Amino acid sequence: AQSVTQLDSQVPVFEEAPVELRCNYSSSVSVYLFWYVQYPNQGLQLLLKYLSGSTLVKGINGFEAEFNKSQTSFHLRKPSVHISDTAEYFCAVSVNNNDMRFGAGTRLTVKP
Amino acid sequence: EAGVAQSPRYKIIEKRQSVAFWCNPISGHATLYWYQQILGQGPKLLIQFQNNGVVDDSQLPKDRFSAERLKGVDSTLKIQPAKLEDSAVYLCASRSTGEKGRKQYFGPGTRLTVT
Repeated sequence: AQSVTQLDSQVPVFEEAPVELRCNYSSSVSVYLFWYVQYPNQGLQLLLKYLSGSTLVKGINGFEAEFNKSQTSFHLRKPSVHISDTAEYFCAVSVNNNDMRFGAGTRLTVKP
Repeated sequence: EAGVAQSPRYKIIEKRQSVAFWCNPISGHATLYWYQQILGQGPKLLIQFQNNGVVDDSQLPKDRFSAERLKGVDSTLKIQPAKLEDSAVYLCASRSTGEKGRKQYFGPGTRLTVT
């Protein structure tokens, strides 16, 4: 079965600094990859997804992620973060219609 | 377009009591999911419905959890009896069958506290 590892449980960063949230996955077959964001007391919102094609995926709120098949990674990046980006970020992988596996999450805290 | 609706938003019960959560997916979405999100962890799939049929319930603790989607629209998740370790946020999500890329739309969740 597929699995996801988010390498950092917490990432503190100063406002306007760049950030990278790391995600590695494990699967024996081709996968679909997702990043979701969860603001306090809210449901999950899709940031971006990789299905096929270009390995660089651009999402909402200035985020992007790069699919690296050889390293089985799908790291999320933003060149300049805002206070409002403070949230929990989840990487997820799916190989079929029946199952989406989430990572444990990375708490991004943007400090002024 | 209205999103996924869940109620209640918060629930506090004592252990061994029963509780039920309700979810109304986005109109027309055939696939519905229930997830359990324990504090500090990612969501874990409990059950997946396709219309009114169960597609995957392999991670549902069937001795105490049950779920139904009788008419293929809204769904109810029940816990009976509850244990302390059931304290979590229960998320409902839905997806259109024709949705490329398997994007799931999530509701705000129900936060359950078992004391």
